[in-house]
Amino acid sequence: AQSVTQLGSHVSVSEGALVLLRCNYSSSVPPYLFWYVQYPNQGLQLLLKYTSAATLVKGINGFEAEFKKSETSFHLTKPSAHMSDAAEYFCAVRTGTASKLTFGTGTRLQVTL
Amino acid sequence: EAQVTQNPRYLITVTGKKLTVTCSQNMNHEYMSWYRQDPGLGLRQIYYSMNVEVTDKGDVPEGYKVSRKEKRNFPLILESPSPNQTSLYFCASSSLDSTSGNTIYFGEGSWLTVV
Repeated sequence: AQSVTQLGSHVSVSEGALVLLRCNYSSSVPPYLFWYVQYPNQGLQLLLKYTSAATLVKGINGFEAEFKKSETSFHLTKPSAHMSDAAEYFCAVRTGTASKLTFGTGTRLQVTL
Repeated sequence: EAQVTQNPRYLITVTGKKLTVTCSQNMNHEYMSWYRQDPGLGLRQIYYSMNVEVTDKGDVPEGYKVSRKEKRNFPLILESPSPNQTSLYFCASSSLDSTSGNTIYFGEGSWLTVV
């Protein structure tokens, strides 16, 4: 069985500060990992994905995530937060093309002036 | 343009009145699924389909039905909606071809309120 844990349902950072959203996964086989973003009253947008190539994955809007097998983690980072980054972020895991996508419970990012 | 299209986007209905949320994709994907999103719970899978006429339960299937008569369509049916089915629903599709990079495409979501 696969699962995802997102630490912190709410994270608040100042504009210009580092963004760090935490995600840990559990999987019995090599996973595919994803980060999605949901802006208020909108659908899901793929930020980035890990599919067993490079462990450091760069996504859109300046976000990146690093796959660390030893820590079973896939934390999302951005060096400098912008007000437009305020949204809810979901980490998700999939163990193959024929398996479902299992989501974490989400982290709401607030960016303050 | 690759698209997953859901309708309706917004719906308020009454308890017990059957409704269908349609989902259509234009990418010839084999795999389609439905999720519901609730505060603090993230997205949970309701049903999924591996291909035409092949469907199976996800994590929260109670109160829902689906069908897959055509490859492009995967409607979600609420035979007798109840207030606990008030939620945001997402349809998703993906290819089963491993070279596709495992990307799952999502529709824009359907806000359903049952009163």
